Amino acid sequence: DAGVIQSPRHEVTEMGQEVTLRCKPISGHNSLFWYRQTMMRGLELLIYFNNNVPIDDSGMPEDRFSAKMPNASFSTLKIQPSEPRDSAVYFCASTPSPLLNTEAFFGQGTRLTVV
Amino acid sequence: AQKVTQAQTEISVVEKEDVTLDCVYETRDTTYYLFWYKQPPSGELVFLIRRNSFDEQNEISGRYSWNFQKSTSSFNFTITASQVVDSAVYFCALSEARVNKLVFGAGTILRVKS
Repeated sequence: DAGVIQSPRHEVTEMGQEVTLRCKPISGHNSLFWYRQTMMRGLELLIYFNNNVPIDDSGMPEDRFSAKMPNASFSTLKIQPSEPRDSAVYFCASTPSPLLNTEAFFGQGTRLTVV
Repeated sequence: AQKVTQAQTEISVVEKEDVTLDCVYETRDTTYYLFWYKQPPSGELVFLIRRNSFDEQNEISGRYSWNFQKSTSSFNFTITASQVVDSAVYFCALSEARVNKLVFGAGTILRVKS
């Protein structure tokens, strides 16, 4: 398996623009997570899905952030409008089942820079 | 609320030294899971170990070993005979039962010098 695939790997955008980050989880995995890593806050969970349904979005910073999982093999995290403080590395991760507490498999991350 | 504390922000050692990374956690759950991840300079997060709250046996994997002590809520990680390739940021994380979301510590930067 190719692992969790994120695109793009790097994104530079201007403040106010819409940004869409993409994630393809490992085939057969039923849980998907979006994490953000910053110097100030470390690694924090933004939202997670079980079987394509959002379960907990309490980590989403504000209404400018939205995430969707239209099918089992694809998820997006959208920021509209983007702000410089959104600059961070965004990781997507997947696990086989919401019940097994197995390790999360992380993608390579998307480094977002908002100027 | 769950919390993971990695008090050591940065550690520097010389190659072949042993080094221990500390992790202390807080949770009200009786069933929970602990993890260690490695983030090398390339940026990806690499899984190292998972341990459930009912298994307090220490584990050794090559040069890596883990000491889980429920009495002190600690899950420490030791690298024996460190190597330059061990240089990375190491994260300890906690998740509650049946919910796979991870609460991460702030991470410890390990620098191994030749």
